[in-house]
Amino acid sequence: GNSVTQMEGPVTLSEEAFLTINCTYTATGYPSLFWYVQYPGEGLQLLLKATKADDKGSNKGFEATYRKETTSFHLEKGSVQVSDSAVYFCALDTGRRALTFGSGTRLQVQP
Amino acid sequence: NAGVTQTPKFQVLKTGQSMTLQCAQDMNHNSMYWYRQDPGMGLRLIYYSASEGTTDKGEVPNGYNVSRLNKREFSLRLESAAPSQTSVYFCASSVLAENKNIQYFGAGTRLSVL
Repeated sequence: GNSVTQMEGPVTLSEEAFLTINCTYTATGYPSLFWYVQYPGEGLQLLLKATKADDKGSNKGFEATYRKETTSFHLEKGSVQVSDSAVYFCALDTGRRALTFGSGTRLQVQP
Repeated sequence: NAGVTQTPKFQVLKTGQSMTLQCAQDMNHNSMYWYRQDPGMGLRLIYYSASEGTTDKGEVPNGYNVSRLNKREFSLRLESAAPSQTSVYFCASSVLAENKNIQYFGAGTRLSVL
């Protein structure tokens, strides 16, 4: 079946540090891949997406590249801010029903 | 600019009590979903509705029922709440755009069953 594996958190960084959150997946076919972000007390919001191999999704300074050869979709940001503190979820869609989510990675950015 | 609206935001129940979680979307989406979020487990699908008048079980449907009242509304009912149903519940709706399933989430309902 489909599954998504994310690095465990929390990830604690200082402001302006480089961020990487690892995500690998198992899926049949050619899934679309997503990163969602959940700020405290809120629902999930779509951060970025990629639909085919080598696509790069980007938004708000975050980037992720769809790597089919390594079945990965790692999230990166060059310089994090305190306002980026949130829980980040990697997810995939194979076109069948709902999304499959990873367990989430909490990011804490300290001033 | 409401998007997906869930009520209530918080609820405390005693074991055996029943309640209905409400969800409404104003984006004219066909598909709607109910997920539960538990620590360390991400989001798991309870039920979904591909269109008005249809519902299907997801990964963890036991102990829940749903109703797709119309295109806008999708409710989740707990007939006899159990402590194992303590969780955060999210409703979502989706639209197919360029063959991608983009989901939009409500703010969640935090439920405690004592």
